[in-house]
Amino acid sequence: DAGVIQSPRHEVTEMGQEVTLRCKPISGHNSLFWYRQTMMRGLELLIYFNNNVPIDDSGMPEDRFSAKMPNASFSTLKIQPSEPRDSAVYFCASSRSGTDYGYTFGSGTRLTVV
Amino acid sequence: GESVGLHLPTLSVQEGDNSIINCAYSNSASDYFIWYKQESGKGPQFIIDIRSNMDKRQGQRVTVLLNKTVKHLSLQIAATQPGDSAVYFCAEILSGGSYIPTFGRGTSLIVHP
Repeated sequence: DAGVIQSPRHEVTEMGQEVTLRCKPISGHNSLFWYRQTMMRGLELLIYFNNNVPIDDSGMPEDRFSAKMPNASFSTLKIQPSEPRDSAVYFCASSRSGTDYGYTFGSGTRLTVV
Repeated sequence: GESVGLHLPTLSVQEGDNSIINCAYSNSASDYFIWYKQESGKGPQFIIDIRSNMDKRQGQRVTVLLNKTVKHLSLQIAATQPGDSAVYFCAEILSGGSYIPTFGRGTSLIVHP
């Protein structure tokens, strides 16, 4: 099992540019979660999907953030335009919906917006 | 280990000592709890879990204690090793709800050789 796979591991971009973060969940997991981690706020849930459908995006900070899950094996988190305050580590996690087992995180993408 | 403000609480121990990391959870209805370990540059990794019908569960070198009366969890690490240095998070889940963990702010464990 390859686990939850995120790319890129590191991203440095200039303010105003579009950033796309990618996630491949564990095969067989039908829930996917995007988190942001900062020293100020800790781990924040941004959005989660069940069976590729967004269920709760109340954690998305503002309209500059969007997330998609076109199929069961791929999700993207896009920031457009990016701002320095978006600098953080972004994690993707997946699990089997309806259970509390197997909640697994990826290694994260460290985003720096300069 | 309550975490407030900008700084994580830190626990410094000597290699070989036992470590105890504490966590207060918020929802008295939560019935499933997980401890995660996050090493530098990595995502949180599952360590051990416990359900609310138990008050103690043991793993390899780790023990989790649950006190539902005061909504408190602790993680005990026996014979702490330098490789145990990491940030430790507790998470609470309401099974039968959204099954989404609510994470604490974390405690930084530093193990000195």
